[in-house]
Amino acid sequence: EDQVTQSPEALRLQEGESSSLNCSYTVSGLRGLFWYRQDPGKGPEFLFTLYSAGEEKEKERLKATLTKKESFLHITAPKPEDSATYLCAVQASSGGGADGLTFGKGTHLIIQP
Amino acid sequence: DAGVIQSPRHEVTEMGQEVTLRCKPISGHNSLFWYRQTMMRGLELLIYFNNNVPIDDSGMPEDRFSAKMPNASFSTLKIQPSEPRDSAVYFCASSWGEKLFFGSGTQLSVL
Repeated sequence: EDQVTQSPEALRLQEGESSSLNCSYTVSGLRGLFWYRQDPGKGPEFLFTLYSAGEEKEKERLKATLTKKESFLHITAPKPEDSATYLCAVQASSGGGADGLTFGKGTHLIIQP
Repeated sequence: DAGVIQSPRHEVTEMGQEVTLRCKPISGHNSLFWYRQTMMRGLELLIYFNNNVPIDDSGMPEDRFSAKMPNASFSTLKIQPSEPRDSAVYFCASSWGEKLFFGSGTQLSVL
């Protein structure tokens, strides 16, 4: 069974204080690892897809990295508008078509001004 | 594009009643997913469709849950009879490829 574990569950940072969120995964063949952002009262919004160990992707103050066992979401000099819950998900390579994603429980990030 | 549209946004019902949640996917997307989100269990995949055909319903908790996709622009998730433990936020998502686009969810409260 595919499993995704995120840590920490919650993180409070001061504006400008950089940090990293962790996502550990167990999957029977990784097709892709995904990061989503979820704001209160809304559905998750896509951020990144990573496919192979060593891959990195960036978007504004966010950078996602991938190893064979985990992924990190690095947040550099965050701003209050970066406050959200960040979700990690994996897609297994078994089967065809657009298989559903297995999500972690997320990291609730608060950036204080 | 209006994105994935779910209705209702909030549903409050009594135990034993039938509940129907509705979803309109993004036009042109060929896959549709139903997820349930709770604090305890996070986001759980209930069922997904590819080209209107159910592919995997192994996440549907029990026979009280059923989902249909009669055409490419509409899907329903039905709970009959509903129970208090069904209280959660239910999300619909659609995709063409690997990126999922989520609706805003239906907050279901079963009293």
